[in-house]
Amino acid sequence: SQQGEEDPQALSIQEGENATMNCSYKTSINNLQWYRQNSGRGLVHLILIRSNEREKHSGRLRVTLDTSKKSSSLLITASRAADTASYFCATDSSNRDDKIIFGKGTRLHILP
Amino acid sequence: KAGVTQTPRYLIKTRGQQVTLSCSPISGHRSVSWYQQTPGQGLQFLFEYFSETQRNKGNFPGRFSGRQFSNSRSEMNVSTLELGDSALYLCASSPLGRNGYTFGSGTRLTVV
Repeated sequence: SQQGEEDPQALSIQEGENATMNCSYKTSINNLQWYRQNSGRGLVHLILIRSNEREKHSGRLRVTLDTSKKSSSLLITASRAADTASYFCATDSSNRDDKIIFGKGTRLHILP
Repeated sequence: KAGVTQTPRYLIKTRGQQVTLSCSPISGHRSVSWYQQTPGQGLQFLFEYFSETQRNKGNFPGRFSGRQFSNSRSEMNVSTLELGDSALYLCASSPLGRNGYTFGSGTRLTVV
């Protein structure tokens, strides 16, 4: 299985601080995506990074990908209360027969 | 443009009953995927449909089935409900599948 696993499972930080979440996976991938889920709602696509990219930015989000270590990180800078949510990575295996697999997520809580 | 619409939002069923959930994808999106989300297992892939054909299937028993219509709308059915089927069922659509899913808000199924 190429399931992504996020680390840590839960994270609490003060508003204004940076939050870093990590994702590890097991097989070769075409790309890796990060999603956000607010409590009990659907997931929102944040960013996609392709296997030949090492870093990508979108607003306050910065994603890195290290294919040699089979890991990715999501950095949220200058966190806000509205960033409180669960964050998931999803891996798209190089094997087209494989499914998109989501990790179990990191629960991020921004403290006022 | 309208997002992914899932109906109903909430559902309470009794063990042994069956249930049908509906998903209307974003207009023009031909791929619809279904996920089951529970606190313990995270997001588990159920199946993906593309142009009315099941393109991929997760490791769920045959009680879980789905279909896609010519207008890309999709339904999933769970027969002989068990308590463990209580979960948030999420539908995601994308133009061709695999990347950049847009998720619906989900159907919260409670089996009593």
